[in-house]
Amino acid sequence: AQSVSQHNHHVILSEAASLELGCNYSYGGTVNLFWYVQYPGQHLQLLLKYFSGDPLVKGIKGFEAEFIKSKFSFNLRKPSVQWSDTAEYFCAVNARGSARQLTFGSGTQLTVLP
Amino acid sequence: DTAVSQTPKYLVTQMGNDKSIKCEQNLGHDTMYWYKQDSKKFLKIMFSYNNKELIINETVPNRFSPKSPDKAHLNLHINSLELGDSAVYFCASSPRRGEGQETQYFGPGTRLLVL
Repeated sequence: AQSVSQHNHHVILSEAASLELGCNYSYGGTVNLFWYVQYPGQHLQLLLKYFSGDPLVKGIKGFEAEFIKSKFSFNLRKPSVQWSDTAEYFCAVNARGSARQLTFGSGTQLTVLP
Repeated sequence: DTAVSQTPKYLVTQMGNDKSIKCEQNLGHDTMYWYKQDSKKFLKIMFSYNNKELIINETVPNRFSPKSPDKAHLNLHINSLELGDSAVYFCASSPRRGEGQETQYFGPGTRLLVL
């Protein structure tokens, strides 16, 4: 079974700082990778996803993520964060061809100070 | 227009009661899901369901049962509620079954508190 680790539980940044949130997964086969965001009091929304091809994927709101297969990682980045990026960020993975059993990491709370 | 909706938004109830949470999606998706988010924000899949197949996470107690009157609805019924059931429950849906690449669309969540 797959598992997902997000090592940063809470990240605090000032506006305009650069962001990198770590995500590592454990699974021996081919995977699909996702980042979801949950703004305060709201539902989860998809930021970006990777299935195949270019390992650097761009999502909404200036976010991007890089899949590094050798490191089993899919880190989320943003060059300059805004106060409105304050939210909980979840990395998720499912095995290619699976019955859509999406496994989530424990989440990273990002607080951006104005 | 709400894509995935859940009712109620908040639910406070006593131990031992039976309750249901409703979920509706207007996206025409084939598959629906229920997730539980605990107090530490950890999200765990409970069920995935389309009109042909129910997949149950083996760790889910059989007090929890999904009920689907039609393709657009997947309700969650919980019998004999326990304190540990307190959590936020999210419904989600995704389009036709593929290679797991479908984006899941989440509802706003139902905050359940068992006293």
